[in-house]
Amino acid sequence: AQTVTQSQPEMSVQEAETVTLSCTYDTSESDYYLFWYKQPPSRQMILVIRQEAYKQQNATENRFSVNFQKAAKSFSLKISDSQLGDAAMYFCAYRRVRSQGGSEKLVFGKGTKLTVNP
Amino acid sequence: NAGVTQTPKFRVLKTGQSMTLLCAQDMNHEYMYWYRQDPGMGLRLIHYSVGEGTTAKGEVPDGYNVSRLKKQNFLLGLESAAPSQTSVYFCASSYSRDRAFSANYGYTFGSGTRLTVV
Repeated sequence: AQTVTQSQPEMSVQEAETVTLSCTYDTSESDYYLFWYKQPPSRQMILVIRQEAYKQQNATENRFSVNFQKAAKSFSLKISDSQLGDAAMYFCAYRRVRSQGGSEKLVFGKGTKLTVNP
Repeated sequence: NAGVTQTPKFRVLKTGQSMTLLCAQDMNHEYMYWYRQDPGMGLRLIHYSVGEGTTAKGEVPDGYNVSRLKKQNFLLGLESAAPSQTSVYFCASSYSRDRAFSANYGYTFGSGTRLTVV
């Protein structure tokens, strides 16, 4: 079974600085997707960024970027120019590539609580 | 707005009481999921459904039942609530095939139900 590990239960960063959240995963599959979700106090699950395993290029979305190391099964999230609104729980998630008739489910890590200090 | 709607948003139950959580989606998604979120545990899959009339167990199914009589609805039932079922419950839905144009590859989450069992 696939597992996702986030080794940092809590992280903090100063406003305008950069922080990196770690995620490792275990799978025997060669093709899959990786995601970072943000959950603010409102509880809503918000997709931050996604990465397709077959792509070597790291995904980037504005101030958010990932460092995807497929061989090491590592998928870290870098937040640049941190803002107060970035404070939230961040979840790393994995799922297999969906095939006909399958139901590839999202497998989540336990989360990292990010605090942004003014 | 199109999306996933969960009702109720909050509920307090006494031990032994029963209740049903309703999840409704209007995106014509084939797949639907129920997750529970507990502090330090991330999101764990309870049950899921790949289509109308079909359900399957996830990672933590004990104490829950589900039904999907209509494609747009996925119900989660607690027959005899226990304090260990105090949690935040999330419903999600997705297409059965990966859709390249979908921003999050088809996963849409509801806003969650906070359930307390006393």
